[in-house]
Amino acid sequence: GAVVSQHPSWVICKSGTSVKIECRSLDFQATTMFWYRQFPKQSLMLMATSNEGSKATYEQGVEKDKFLINHASLTLSTLTVTSAHPEDSSFYICSARDPRAGETQYFGPGTRLLVL
Amino acid sequence: GQNIDQPTEMTATEGAIVQINCTYQTSGFNGLFWYQQHAGEAPTFLSYNVLDGLEEKGRFSSFLSRSKGYSYLLLKELQMKDSASYLCAVVGGSYIPTFGRGTSLIVHP
Repeated sequence: GAVVSQHPSWVICKSGTSVKIECRSLDFQATTMFWYRQFPKQSLMLMATSNEGSKATYEQGVEKDKFLINHASLTLSTLTVTSAHPEDSSFYICSARDPRAGETQYFGPGTRLLVL
Repeated sequence: GQNIDQPTEMTATEGAIVQINCTYQTSGFNGLFWYQQHAGEAPTFLSYNVLDGLEEKGRFSSFLSRSKGYSYLLLKELQMKDSASYLCAVVGGSYIPTFGRGTSLIVHP
C-alpha cells in the first residue's frame, strides 16, 4: 500500500509551547488528508479534514485556533498545536487518501505528544 | 450522522477462526474499511468493501451487506501476532470516514 510518514514520532514539551507535526505522503499525491487524535484505549477521533489549497474543515468541538492545519502541497499537511496544555497530550495520527485507491486512507505512524 | 457498533473485546485460540462483526447506520454509503491497530501503533489497512459480498485476502476476509448495514471481518488460522484492535470504519455520503470504537482481539495459545 501507499506510504505516509509523520514527524516527529515523539514530542515532550512544556505547557504553553507550540508543537508542529508534519504528515507526508511519500509515493502519491494526496488532495485530502485527515488528522485524528486517539486517547488510550479509545477509538480514533477525527479532528479535521485537510484539503490541499483550501482551509481545513474542523469537526465539532475542535478549536481551529488551537489546532492549526496547513495543507500547502499535495504531499504535506501540518498540524500545529498552539499553546499546548497537559490535556492535549495524546496520540495524533494523520492519514492520506490515495486517489489511486478510491476512498482508501493510509495512516502515518502517529505522533505521541506529552505536555508537561 | 453515522453510528457504528462492534464488540468491545473477543478472545480466540491460536489456529482457530474468528469473526468480528460490525453494524452501522449511515447517511449515504461510500464504502467500509477494516483496519488493524496494534497497541501503541497507527492503524494499518486491511480491507475495503463498497459492494455486497465477500472479499478474500489471504487469511483475512471481509464481508459486506449494504441492505443490512452489516459487515464482518473473518480471520483464519489465527496467530499470536493477530492480537490487536480491529477498527471498522464507514465512509458516508460526506466522504468523511467514521471509525467504530474497535474490537480488541486476544489470541491465546
